[in-house]
Amino acid sequence: QKEVEQDPGPLSVPEGAIVSLNCTYSNSAFQYFMWYRQYSRKGPELLMYTYSSGNKEDGRFTAQVDKSSKYISLFIRDSQPSDSATYLCAISRDNFNKFYFGSGTKLNVKP
Amino acid sequence: DTGVSQDPRHKITKRGQNVTFRCDPISEHNRLYWYRQTLGQGPEFLTYFQNEAQLEKSRLLSDRFSAERPKGSFSTLEIQRTEQGDSAMYLCASSILQGGMFTGELFFGEGSRLTVL
Repeated sequence: QKEVEQDPGPLSVPEGAIVSLNCTYSNSAFQYFMWYRQYSRKGPELLMYTYSSGNKEDGRFTAQVDKSSKYISLFIRDSQPSDSATYLCAISRDNFNKFYFGSGTKLNVKP
Repeated sequence: DTGVSQDPRHKITKRGQNVTFRCDPISEHNRLYWYRQTLGQGPEFLTYFQNEAQLEKSRLLSDRFSAERPKGSFSTLEIQRTEQGDSAMYLCASSILQGGMFTGELFFGEGSRLTVL
């Protein structure tokens, strides 16, 4: 069993739609939760990072963590064509020795 | 440019040859990670360094793989006797951990793509 499982894509939505991306993880020892965005042929870049359960908002992006169900989500409001990329969830223990990544969800936002 | 740089960006080699990748992290970052990413998958952890010390290696890192970070600056990842299954993107990332404070941000390079024929 992988440490983190991510809903597979691809996901295709019209511009302006609300996008929901989801992951589940297996071990409550994981304390840090991140979302990375990866454009084609580029390295991932951090979008959002959270530690506690609840919501964290940054502009059009909201990260949600439910530690009781080991479920993490990223919501994108008013999606734009420039949001088209692969989104990777990532988790880590508090020592940050390893980051475990989901398999990624490829998002396409159509103009 | 003060980001993470990797070299070469793309390497094509024949099975059985040795290859070496280099990573130059952001200068003040004391942690350096190597990940491998295959098509349609997320990055998989290979190894990480705290300064010059290699503190953890994945079981994915067979004895054909070796990584070094002399003097705690740049790092190299060498693959000996390459196999077709080694074809992947090799990503380097750096981060800074000071006084137990960490933001959870890995700064990735653009990767070194390996194709083994």
